[in-house]
Parts: sequence; structure tokens; C-alpha cells
Amino acid sequence: GAGVSQTPSNKVTEKGKYVELRCDPISGHTALYWYRQSLGQGPEFLIYFQGTGAADDSGLPNDRFFAVRPEGSVSTLKIQRTERGDSAVYLCASSSGQGTDTQYFGPGTRLTVL
Amino acid sequence: KQEVTQIPAALSVPEGENLVLNCSFTDSAIYNLQWFRQDPGKGLTSLLLIQSSQREQTSGRLNASLDKSSGRSTLYIAASQPGDSATYLCAVRPGYGNKLVFGAGTILRVKS
Repeated sequence: GAGVSQTPSNKVTEKGKYVELRCDPISGHTALYWYRQSLGQGPEFLIYFQGTGAADDSGLPNDRFFAVRPEGSVSTLKIQRTERGDSAVYLCASSSGQGTDTQYFGPGTRLTVL
Repeated sequence: KQEVTQIPAALSVPEGENLVLNCSFTDSAIYNLQWFRQDPGKGLTSLLLIQSSQREQTSGRLNASLDKSSGRSTLYIAASQPGDSATYLCAVRPGYGNKLVFGAGTILRVKS
């Protein structure tokens, strides 16, 4: 079946602009995660959804970052007033929320803030 | 706060060699530990998942061990091949919550 998909694959924007990154999880997966990966580093947790609600948003760096999952499926990560330090690969993962609860990752969106 | 460290940061070996990648974590209260593979420009592929109650998992040429009390895991790759070249990431899921905490990864290059 289809895996986790993310759009766009690449996004270039200017400092101060607003961006939206989209994640389509595996069908039926109730849990959805956003991570951010800077060059040469491992992914860092941003936020976790269980259904429509954000169960853990402790990784969001500041209030410029916001994420939604209004229907419990697709999620959008929103970044306001982008800064050069926001440049990274943003990874989305989903899991069934049951059993070993393995997280399956999408290919990521590479965000470059000029 | 859980911290994950991977050693070495990079490794270059000739084809056919057996190799070991190391992962250490600071808090032994984990739910599970996973090893992932990441190819350039791609997402993460889960290789092996070890539950906190398990000591090791095997898949083909890969074997991962877990010593929770000492905060260590190793990934053993037998008879390495050029296609194994990638970044290998270790991640722990703490005993609380659902997020994964990742190490910085080991960049592996297998030369033909």
C-alpha cells in the first residue's frame, strides 16, 4: 500500500515569509509525528497527533510553528515569519497507535530560507 | 533528558567486511529502540526494532543487540556490500510518551 507522502519535496522561501508543509499519513494510522532534521544531525521531535488533537507539542521551538490535523488524517505544519535557521528537512511519520507502534517515515520536505 | 550518541560518526570499509555500529543512551527507562537507514534525499527506513524486554533482533545480515541497563545498543552488519552505504540512525522511544529520540547517525561507506 501507499506509504507516507509529503509535499512539496522542496520549498525555497525568503526570510519573513509564511510556509505550509503537508503530510499524508498511511491510511488508517491514527498517530502522526513531525520531526525536523538539520544537516549532519538526527531528526528532532516537533509534535505528535493522536487523531485530531496534538497530544504532545513539546518539541515546537517557538510560537512561529503550528501544526493541524483537522480530520485526523492529513496534517499541515505551518511556519510563520520564517528565519534562516528554520532551514532543514521536515520529516513526517505515522503509526497505527497499536502494538509495537512502529513509525513509518515519509521522504521529507527540504525547506530552504534565503 | 534522554540523549542518544552514535559512534563512529563515519565509517569506510571494504566490501565483505563485518562491522559494528554503536549507540548509547543516557536514560535506561526506554520502551523500545530502533535502528533506521537513511539514504540521501530519502526518508527513514526501519531496519530493526527491539522492545525493552528483548536482548536482540535479527533480520538477514543485520543483528541488533540491546543492553538496557548499560544504555547501549549495537548494530552488526555481516558481509557488508556497497548497497549498504547509507546513514544509520539509532532512536529510542522513552518509557513515557511516543516521540523518538535520535542519535546523529553513522555515515557508512562500503567500497567495492
